Amino acid sequence: SQKIEQNSEALNIQEGKTATLTCNYTNYSPAYLQWYRQDPGRGPVFLLLIRENEKEKRKERLKVTFDTTLKQSLFHITASQPADSATYLCALDSGNSGYSTLTFGKGTMLLVSP
Amino acid sequence: NAGVTQTPKFRILKIGQSMTLQCTQDMNHNYMYWYRQDPGMGLKLIYYSVGAGITDKGEVPNGYNVSRSTTEDFPLRLELAAPSQTSVYFCASSYWAGELGKEQFFGPGTRLTVL
Repeated sequence: SQKIEQNSEALNIQEGKTATLTCNYTNYSPAYLQWYRQDPGRGPVFLLLIRENEKEKRKERLKVTFDTTLKQSLFHITASQPADSATYLCALDSGNSGYSTLTFGKGTMLLVSP
Repeated sequence: NAGVTQTPKFRILKIGQSMTLQCTQDMNHNYMYWYRQDPGMGLKLIYYSVGAGITDKGEVPNGYNVSRSTTEDFPLRLELAAPSQTSVYFCASSYWAGELGKEQFFGPGTRLTVL
């Protein structure tokens, strides 16, 4: 069966360091992979989308890589700040049309300390 | 734009009661979704809709019903509430942007407790 794995343990890092979060998947061939941020008591907020034929995508301090051979995506936040503390969800979209749906991982909590 | 709005924010139901969770979006998006999120778990898709009059089941549809009579509204109906339906419910919407894929816009959620 399809499986998406994100590190269930919280990631604790110091301000200014680079945070790296991992998303692994099995039995899946996603056309797109998305990353969302979720703050406590709020709905997820879209951050980045990367296509299967893209290796890397950047947006300001965020970088996402996508390795379809390893079946893995890495999400990096450089120069992390306490305001980056949140849960980060990866989501896979297997389709290449509007009719496909997203399958979400459980998320990894990031805690950035001053 | 208000984006995706959900009502109510909180609700406590007794076992066997019914209720409707409301979801409205003002972005003219074709696609709408209902998810539930249990503590420590990812979002599970309950139902989705690709346009007015068209709905389909997601991963966990049992105990729920939906309708989509307009582009803007996508209510989720719980019939005969059970404790297993205690969860946080999120509504989301999206549009198809071709090669750019489709990011989803989420509402603030409804926290439901069934006792």
